[in-house]
Amino acid sequence: NAGVTQTPKFRVLKTGQSMTLLCAQDMNHEYMYWYRQDPGMGLRLIHYSVGEGTTAKGEVPDGYNVSRLKKQNFLLGLESAAPSQTSVYFCASSSISGTTSYEQYFGPGTRLTVT
Amino acid sequence: GQSLEQPSEVTAVEGAIVQINCTYQTSGFYGLSWYQQHDGGAPTFLSYNALDGLEETGRFSSFLSRSDSYGYLLLQELQMKDSASYFCAVRNTGGFKTIFGAGTRLFVKA
Repeated sequence: NAGVTQTPKFRVLKTGQSMTLLCAQDMNHEYMYWYRQDPGMGLRLIHYSVGEGTTAKGEVPDGYNVSRLKKQNFLLGLESAAPSQTSVYFCASSSISGTTSYEQYFGPGTRLTVT
Repeated sequence: GQSLEQPSEVTAVEGAIVQINCTYQTSGFYGLSWYQQHDGGAPTFLSYNALDGLEETGRFSSFLSRSDSYGYLLLQELQMKDSASYFCAVRNTGGFKTIFGAGTRLFVKA
């Protein structure tokens, strides 16, 4: 059981470039989330998904797009990277039922620098 | 609006007990969670309170008072490995948005 995995682990982009971050989970979770974490700050929700084919905006969605074509994968896209998007990006997933739906499992993170 | 407040730093001695407080303001409330994050690592789930009272899991306990919009995480028999950041988080009613606090950095000294 790999849990939640993220690809890539590190990336450096130039302003204006685009990229896609891939998140995969093998726990058959319905819910998946993308967060960003800036130094000294908590996690801020970018987008989330409550099931295959559905996505919704979180707290800070501008400049990002997402897709959930398969239940196990959740993709985060940056169309035109900006230095303000330099951050650590975490993907998380959780189950649909009962109190375990509040337990989010996080991937190892992707450290993105935009120059 | 929605906000969570927790102290930015706490320092304690190995073997001691420490309490990390969290006050929240949300448009709805499903429950209060706590996560631990070591430097360079991913957050890991510690505990969850949906109802008022104390939940105990080993050396860690978490408390919630919904009438006071307040909760805390209690860490007993502190160990050096407990040095980490601790985040409280609330999930608001009717949605799946989880809002995290800015985190409390715990330093455990020998």
